Amino acid sequence: KNEVEQSPQNLTAQEGEFITINCSYSVGISALHWLQQHPGGGIVSLFMLSSGKKKHGRLIATINIQEKHSSLHITASHPRDSAVYICAVKGASGNKLVFGAGTILRVKS
Amino acid sequence: KAGVTQTPRYLIKTRGQQVTLSCSPISGHRSVSWYQQTPGQGLQFLFEYFSETQRNKGNFPGRFSGRQFSNSRSEMNVSTLELGDSALYLCASSLQVSGNTIYFGEGSWLTVV
Repeated sequence: KNEVEQSPQNLTAQEGEFITINCSYSVGISALHWLQQHPGGGIVSLFMLSSGKKKHGRLIATINIQEKHSSLHITASHPRDSAVYICAVKGASGNKLVFGAGTILRVKS
Repeated sequence: KAGVTQTPRYLIKTRGQQVTLSCSPISGHRSVSWYQQTPGQGLQFLFEYFSETQRNKGNFPGRFSGRQFSNSRSEMNVSTLELGDSALYLCASSLQVSGNTIYFGEGSWLTVV
């Protein structure tokens, strides 16, 4: 079993829909990162969480430390949100980042 | 403020050769980490440097090595290249080893033929 599991693997949505991507992990962590990767390779860090909830524009990220679970929500989705979304966790001892397999999101207009 | 810069962006090497990739972090960032991304394995951590010292290392063979210079710039080297080393190699920087946002470069696409 992978240390970081994401679901769904693939997601197609209509423009305007509310989107949720989930991330579960099995180890104690010091931080959880949500990353966005567009075709071509570049990765952008969306959020870094160690507790609670963060919001940036139409994006919201939550984390439940007790349940070892995080969600990334996109409100009023837009075709430009189409990308791969990757969850990554850093262990409690502050060592290496471990990545989920990513969720491929396609938003249709 | 300039972002994380990686060079070269694209390169093709032959099996058995070696390659050196370079990463210039955001000014003021002292932590640099390297990652390999392949279609089969996804993103995997290679190593992390802070103040010229390797802090963490992933599960890669000794053919993969790296270093960090006093100006925080970092290089990674892969010797005796294998076909399976073909990947996107990403560098990221942050202020400290943990607790800060990480910023990624555009990556270096390595093809081994």
